[in-house]
Amino acid sequence: QLVLTQSPSASASLGASVKLTCTLSSGHSSYAIAWHQQQPEKGPRYLMKLNSDGSHSKGDGIPDRFSGSSSGAERYLTISSLQSEDEADYYCQTWGTGLWVFGGGTKLTVL
Amino acid sequence: QVTLRESGPALVKPTQTLTLTCTFSGFSLSTSGMCVSWVRQPPGKALEWLALIDWDDDKYYSTSLKTRLTISKDTSKNQVVLTMTNMDPVDTATYYCARSYSRIQLCPEFDYWGQGTLVTVSS
Repeated sequence: QLVLTQSPSASASLGASVKLTCTLSSGHSSYAIAWHQQQPEKGPRYLMKLNSDGSHSKGDGIPDRFSGSSSGAERYLTISSLQSEDEADYYCQTWGTGLWVFGGGTKLTVL
Repeated sequence: QVTLRESGPALVKPTQTLTLTCTFSGFSLSTSGMCVSWVRQPPGKALEWLALIDWDDDKYYSTSLKTRLTISKDTSKNQVVLTMTNMDPVDTATYYCARSYSRIQLCPEFDYWGQGTLVTVSS
């Protein structure tokens, strides 16, 4: 069964870096994912597609502060030089044969 | 410039059928590799994929909701319509439409989203 697992919360200080994790279920470690950001009271915004080899392609206008990497079944989103507007929910998403799946989301607090 | 906009009733009664329309611009759903999905988000909860339709009129549904959902497209109007039958208060959520596009893979990541429309189910 294709499942994505995310930690419910994370926090980091203004100006620091944070690394969020999305874990693919057993047997799906080769799958690509996408990261989406959802700021408070807004709709989701596509950040990037992240492949199993760590290569990634970002959406329109996504700053260089956002980057992705991969290791085995783990997919990471790193945000550097944290700004107040980065405080948001972050969702990973993947896709299989006839189904599309979201993780439970990570709420990032910028201290 | 790709844009998507959801429209539909803000309030529906239990047991009624919900009809939502996604009107988009900046792309055509007749283009090979193009897809549009519906996704919902109950208040304070995570995103949940509901249904997808592709350029070839193939349709895919969430296993848990497939008996209640119908997705369709009107390519000439640049619209995708979702109907959900037998609405219940637990279906209260913000409903989003989103686009996927790829020439090499079937409907991968959602790269553009609408702003969403809140639907409340209450008598």
